[in-house]
Amino acid sequence: EAQVTQNPRYLITVTGKKLTVTCSQNMNHEYMSWYRQDPGLGLRQIYYSMNVEVTDKGDVPEGYKVSRKEKRNFPLILESPSPNQTSLYFCASSPRSGPSYEQYFGPGTRLTVT
Amino acid sequence: GESVGLHLPTLSVQEGDNSIINCAYSNSASDYFIWYKQESGKGPQFIIDIRSNMDKRQGQRVTVLLNKTVKHLSLQIAATQPGDSAVYFCAEKTIRNQFYFGTGTSLTVIP
Repeated sequence: EAQVTQNPRYLITVTGKKLTVTCSQNMNHEYMSWYRQDPGLGLRQIYYSMNVEVTDKGDVPEGYKVSRKEKRNFPLILESPSPNQTSLYFCASSPRSGPSYEQYFGPGTRLTVT
Repeated sequence: GESVGLHLPTLSVQEGDNSIINCAYSNSASDYFIWYKQESGKGPQFIIDIRSNMDKRQGQRVTVLLNKTVKHLSLQIAATQPGDSAVYFCAEKTIRNQFYFGTGTSLTVIP
């Protein structure tokens, strides 16, 4: 089944404890992206990647890191999480063959930082 | 940053009626505009998109209209069904391949 998977789905952590949220897609998509969703603010793009070893900042990259060593994986790293990073996070992927980059979203990771 | 906003946060329609969801955008450098549907507990799902040089595009039961003069985007859903109840987001893709989403409109279909 074609899908985007994220792990973990739920995470509660403490301020300053490094964490990684994994994202993997099995559709051989070039484009991958991370978003955070907060009430009243919609989805905001954190980082995106056009292909392996190519990453760019989105609208809200502060406090996050990403890497794209393999085409299928795009982990999101929070080196020192803070309470304002409590949010619902979505990973998405899309082929670059389509003009608008139709994105396929993962199920989301709900992160709470205390 | 970019600004993509919605006129109404909630919309209720009778089953079988047509729904219209509106969106205002501010960036003139976007090449595509997209509508997503998000059901409770799930990630957003692509509905339809429109290129910036088009005014209208139709899909199955959905139509997207783009008015570049007033920077307005709308999604029309024909014969709205209970399964259409969800939050709808407009989004714009820039020529640098960044995406900016609106804040969403919650559509409730009344049986």
